[in-house]
Amino acid sequence: QAQLEESGGGVVQPGRSLRLSCAASGFTFSNYAMNWVRQAPGKGLEWVAVISYDGGNKYYADSVKGRFTISRDISNSTVYLQMNSLRAEDTAVYYCAREFGMGYGDNGWFDPWGQGTPVTVSS
Amino acid sequence: EIVMTQSPATLSVSPGERATLSCRASQSVSSNLAWYQQKPGQAPRLLIYAASTRVTTFPDRFSGSGSGTEFTLTISSLQSEDFALYYCQQYDNWPFTFGPGTKVDIK
Repeated sequence: QAQLEESGGGVVQPGRSLRLSCAASGFTFSNYAMNWVRQAPGKGLEWVAVISYDGGNKYYADSVKGRFTISRDISNSTVYLQMNSLRAEDTAVYYCAREFGMGYGDNGWFDPWGQGTPVTVSS
Repeated sequence: EIVMTQSPATLSVSPGERATLSCRASQSVSSNLAWYQQKPGQAPRLLIYAASTRVTTFPDRFSGSGSGTEFTLTISSLQSEDFALYYCQQYDNWPFTFGPGTKVDIK
C-alpha cells in the first residue's frame, strides 16, 4: 500500500536552514502532486506547499513564501522541503501527504500522510 | 484565502450516541471538501472526501454531507475508537486551508 516516510527534522537555530525529505513507496510517485503540511505544538494543521506531479508547478503558503522551497526527485520517489531563514514560529511537526490531483488546479484530497518529522527552531 | 470554521470546538458525547460536527467555508468550495481524523501522537487520516465519500477503512457509521459553504460530519453511534480530533479541509483553491478542528471526547 502507499506509504510515506519523512526524515530530516531536528533542532536548529533561528536563521539557519534545514532540508526535510519524504520517501514514497507503494504507488506510482510520478502520477501525483505532493504536499507538505505542518502542525505546531498543540495547534491545528497548516498547509505549507504543493508540487505538481512533474515538478513544473509549485505553490506556497504566504507564511513560508520566499523562505521554503519544495522539490521532487522522481528517480528516487522523494519530495523535499528546503527551509531557509527559519523562525521560532516554524517549530512544528512536518507531514508530507500525497494529493489525489496532479497539481495543475485539479486539486484533490490528501491520502496517505507520513508519520511526520519534528522541527524545533530555538537558540 | 478561504477561511474554514468548525463547530463546536469540543463535543462531549457518550458512547453509542450520535455526534454531528459542522464545517463552514467563507466562500463556496463546491464539494471539494475532506474530513480527517487525528488521534494524539498520530498523523491525520483521511476519512471523507468529495464532501460525502467515505474511505473504506472507516466504518459506515461515519457519513458526510453538504456542498457550497456548509458541511456536516455525522457519527451515528460513537464507539470508543472514535474519540479524536476531526479536521475539515477545502481543496477547491490554493492555498488549501483547514478548519481549526473539533475534538470529540467522552462525556
